[in-house]
Amino acid sequence: DVKVTQSSRYLVKRTGEKVFLECVQDMDHENMFWYRQDPGLGLRLIYFSYDVKMKEKGDIPEGYSVSREKKERFSLILESASTNQTSMYLCASSSSRSGLAGAHEQYFGPGTRLTVT
Amino acid sequence: AQSVSQHNHHVILSEAASLELGCNYSYGGTVNLFWYVQYPGQHLQLLLKYFSGDPLVKGIKGFEAEFIKSKFSFNLRKPSVQWSDTAEYFCAVIMGRDDKIIFGKGTRLHILP
Repeated sequence: DVKVTQSSRYLVKRTGEKVFLECVQDMDHENMFWYRQDPGLGLRLIYFSYDVKMKEKGDIPEGYSVSREKKERFSLILESASTNQTSMYLCASSSSRSGLAGAHEQYFGPGTRLTVT
Repeated sequence: AQSVSQHNHHVILSEAASLELGCNYSYGGTVNLFWYVQYPGQHLQLLLKYFSGDPLVKGIKGFEAEFIKSKFSFNLRKPSVQWSDTAEYFCAVIMGRDDKIIFGKGTRLHILP
């Protein structure tokens, strides 16, 4: 079974703090993704990565950065947290290897609910 | 711009009613199509997917979806819903050869017991 874990389920931070959200997957997936989920807006892609040390901006990268030093780990960084970054953050991973069962399907972690006060 | 539209934001049904949730996308090339579900307090999980072949796809828990290429649609159906189907449903599409999925805004389904 694919497992995607996120470091925290709930997090409360103050405005201006630097915030690290960690995500780890155990299926040797090449692709990893960070989304934020807000009511009525669905899932919006922040950043994604197709390989170690590679990153691509998604639809809403402003105010965020990412790090992928190891294949299994993808970190989302809020350089200076602001109240409008209060949200549910979801990590996902997928494989591009065609022929592999579940290829291209994204597997999600449980989410981190971040509150910035 | 590439986009995925879900027509209903909030649907309320009684148990045993039939369900159809609409999903349309804007892209003329090859697509891979998904429906994900998020039950209250749980993480997103795959309900069903279409990559190729039979356009009528069956998923878990009695759900099915039909890909109609000419209508750019991938509607989700279930003939008889249960209270346990209360959840948020997301249509998602991979457009082209990218592995980036574009999600719709979701439909909240509430089943009355």
